[in-house]
Amino acid sequence: DAGVIQSPRHEVTEMGQEVTLRCKPISGHNSLFWYRQTMMRGLELLIYFNNNVPIDDSGMPEDRFSAKMPNASFSTLKIQPSEPRDSAVYFCASSLNQGWQPQHFGDGTRLSIL
Amino acid sequence: AQTVTQSQPEMSVQEAETVTLSCTYDTSESDYYLFWYKQPPSRQMILVIRQEAYKQQNATENRFSVNFQKAAKSFSLKISDSQLGDAAMYFCAYRKSGNNDMRFGAGTRLTVKP
Repeated sequence: DAGVIQSPRHEVTEMGQEVTLRCKPISGHNSLFWYRQTMMRGLELLIYFNNNVPIDDSGMPEDRFSAKMPNASFSTLKIQPSEPRDSAVYFCASSLNQGWQPQHFGDGTRLSIL
Repeated sequence: AQTVTQSQPEMSVQEAETVTLSCTYDTSESDYYLFWYKQPPSRQMILVIRQEAYKQQNATENRFSVNFQKAAKSFSLKISDSQLGDAAMYFCAYRKSGNNDMRFGAGTRLTVKP
């Protein structure tokens, strides 16, 4: 079975540009999570969705960040405008909406903002 | 708020020996779930093992086992017969029952010496 699929795997862009990260969750999973990982702050939850509805976006750093989940098989995380401090690895994860179910992670997108 | 603490930023172990990684957490809940994830240099986040708080029996997955001490809020990971492929960052995570939000510790970097 296919796991969580993220694209692109790497992204290098100049500050001020719009960045869009994409995620396809595991089929049948009804919860989707976006994380950011940096050396300084570790793994941070940015936002998560249940049944395509955003539940908690308190981790989104600021208004430059937005996330959407238009359907059960696709989500995007957008940064506009991007800044060098946004450089990080961004992970998408999905799970069934039951506490004992683990989250399954994608391979992440390494984002570098110059 | 629930917090997860991994007090060992780095650990090392000789190949074929046993190592224990520590994790403590802070919660007022009685029903929750605990997880250990492994992140090798490939940066994938891989589930290693999970424990339901209502179960007294410690979870075991092949060479990986946990020592779950609910009263002490401790959830350590034991790796037996360590292999070179076990070298990775290990993250402890907590998830409250009925809640999708998962909290991660800062991680422990495990080195396996041949």
